[in-house]
Amino acid sequence: KAGVTQTPRYLIKTRGQQVTLSCSPISGHRSVSWYQQTPGQGLQFLFEYFSETQRNKGNFPGRFSGRQFSNSRSEMNVSTLELGDSALYLCASSLTRYNEQFFGPGTRLTVL
Amino acid sequence: DQQVKQNSPSLSVQEGRISILNCDYTNSMFDYFLWYKKYPAEGPTFLISISSIKDKNEDGRFTVFLNKSAKHLSLHIVPSQPGDSAVYFCAASDGNYGQNFVFGPGTRLSVLP
Repeated sequence: KAGVTQTPRYLIKTRGQQVTLSCSPISGHRSVSWYQQTPGQGLQFLFEYFSETQRNKGNFPGRFSGRQFSNSRSEMNVSTLELGDSALYLCASSLTRYNEQFFGPGTRLTVL
Repeated sequence: DQQVKQNSPSLSVQEGRISILNCDYTNSMFDYFLWYKKYPAEGPTFLISISSIKDKNEDGRFTVFLNKSAKHLSLHIVPSQPGDSAVYFCAASDGNYGQNFVFGPGTRLSVLP
């Protein structure tokens, strides 16, 4: 069974731009969560989607948004990028909302 | 304020010996805990979980112990192998929030041959 895939793997943007990251969960998994990993803050929860609806949201500004499609694929968008948005963005999928999560390899975003 | 703490940023252990990674939490509503392992340039990999109705869960070389009164859990790896060298994250959830896991900052384990 294929794992969680994320595209692109690496991205370089400049301040003020916007970016969209994509995540394809494991086949059959319906819950997708997004995390931001930075050296200083560790892994921080961004949001969770299940059945195309955002179920949970972490403590991030409104510039961070996401969506989930009917095939469970998910995208997250960051608008008006700031230098501090440079991080590894991880997507995780799980069968239901209460199972262990399986992570993708992440998208490394660098904001210049 | 960090709700999940891993106070040792790094740990070195000799191959074949026991590795003990510790995790403390402050939120008494947390009732489900997981450990993840992360290699460089890869996403975290689920290792083992425990719910608050148990105080121990074992899976091969990995055992997680939960002490609810102390709000403390630990991951034991026996015997430690060089391939276990990675960053280990402890995560906690209060169940009511689905996948809203709170992660600790991680502990880098180095298993020396």
